[in-house]
Amino acid sequence: GQQVMQIPQYQHVQEGEDFTTYCNSSTTLSNIQWYKQRPGGHPVFLIQLVKSGEVKKQKRLTFQFGEAKKNSSLHITATQTTDVGTYFCAGPNNNAGNMLTFGGGTRLMVKP
Amino acid sequence: EAGVTQSPTHLIKTRGQQATLRCSPISGHTSVYWYQQALGLGLQFLLWYDEGEERNRGNFPPRFSGRQFPNYSSELNVNALELEDSALYLCASRLTSVYEQFFGPGTRLTVL
Repeated sequence: GQQVMQIPQYQHVQEGEDFTTYCNSSTTLSNIQWYKQRPGGHPVFLIQLVKSGEVKKQKRLTFQFGEAKKNSSLHITATQTTDVGTYFCAGPNNNAGNMLTFGGGTRLMVKP
Repeated sequence: EAGVTQSPTHLIKTRGQQATLRCSPISGHTSVYWYQQALGLGLQFLLWYDEGEERNRGNFPPRFSGRQFPNYSSELNVNALELEDSALYLCASRLTSVYEQFFGPGTRLTVL
């Protein structure tokens, strides 16, 4: 079945350092979504990318969708302690487009 | 706009008992999804309901079941609880025309 993998699983950074998480799908995706879950919280939608090669920015966050629409990345410039949490990517399930297949998440920890 | 609500916040049961978890979607959202998130792990898809019908289920045993009511709220039932059912159970709702899912705060189920 469709698999969505994320690396790394964990990342410790010093505040001010950059951070990147990578997402790879076993199948081509019509779109990819990113969610953030703060410790003790629930996932919150960040963004959706639809076009091949699309790049979107939200302040210090840069999201990219690969040309083949099978991979994506989230880059955070100059991390802050407020960036702490787990970042999930998710793509529509090939067998049921109204469902999402989530990656395993990357847990970001930021040392002040 | 009120978000997705879930009840109870916490639930403690003993092995072999039955648990009922409830979810109210955002007004106008007809799709409800249930996920299991074991401690520190990713989101495992459980069930998807839309317009009162079960549309898909994840790789979970039949003792995980649920339903969706005419007002689109939903209930997740877990029978014959096992220790490994201890997890955060998240409900998400979605508007038919978009892929984004809105998550509730979750129910923390502890099985002793």
